[in-house]
Amino acid sequence: EVQLVESGGGLVQPGGSLRLSCIASGLTFGSHWMSWVRQAPGKGLEWVATIKQDASEKYYVDSVVGRFTISRDNANNSLYLQMNNLRGEDTGVYYCASATFGEFPFDYWGQGTLVTVSS
Amino acid sequence: DIQMTQSPSTLSASVGDRVTITCRASQTISIWLAWYQQKPGQSPKLLIYKASSLETGVPTRFTGSGSGTEFTLTISSLQPEDFATYYCQQYNSYSPTFGQGTKVEIK
Repeated sequence: EVQLVESGGGLVQPGGSLRLSCIASGLTFGSHWMSWVRQAPGKGLEWVATIKQDASEKYYVDSVVGRFTISRDNANNSLYLQMNNLRGEDTGVYYCASATFGEFPFDYWGQGTLVTVSS
Repeated sequence: DIQMTQSPSTLSASVGDRVTITCRASQTISIWLAWYQQKPGQSPKLLIYKASSLETGVPTRFTGSGSGTEFTLTISSLQPEDFATYYCQQYNSYSPTFGQGTKVEIK
């Protein structure tokens, strides 16, 4: 059974930083493109970032470019999202997601971790 | 960025009804479209990929169709467990975008 377990969310002040983690099990992690998708409270889904299997390619939604960094550690089946200079509009549940065939779509999702940016 | 527009935003239906949700892309995306189901407090679940391919384990009452800029998700006979929010997603590029969602409510 595939499991993606996120952690690292919490309350942070505007301008602050957080590092999200996602630990994968039940899949050959190093063979999958991985992504982060977020959902603001009561709102829809927004793709945030995607990383290739060997981390040679990374893609971001425009609103986080220069502030967020996606990375991975295949030896430890782990995906990360370093979030700097956080803003109120970054508030939401952040999901780790994987794709079995290519970069998209997302066939496995974690349960999400809540990030709240507020003073 | 490619904009995805779903209609309706909310849909009231009864168990056994045939339900259709439409998703329109602001530019052509070929067949690079997926549909997800999300229930309150849960993460999204992939239903359909490549516009019409059914994800393993998804009931056959769910069907997807379309290509180019117009797509539909049809539930042939709505079941109690199908009341949820549905999202389309285009993945024609390395900047995937979602529709705003369609909430299917009990009538």
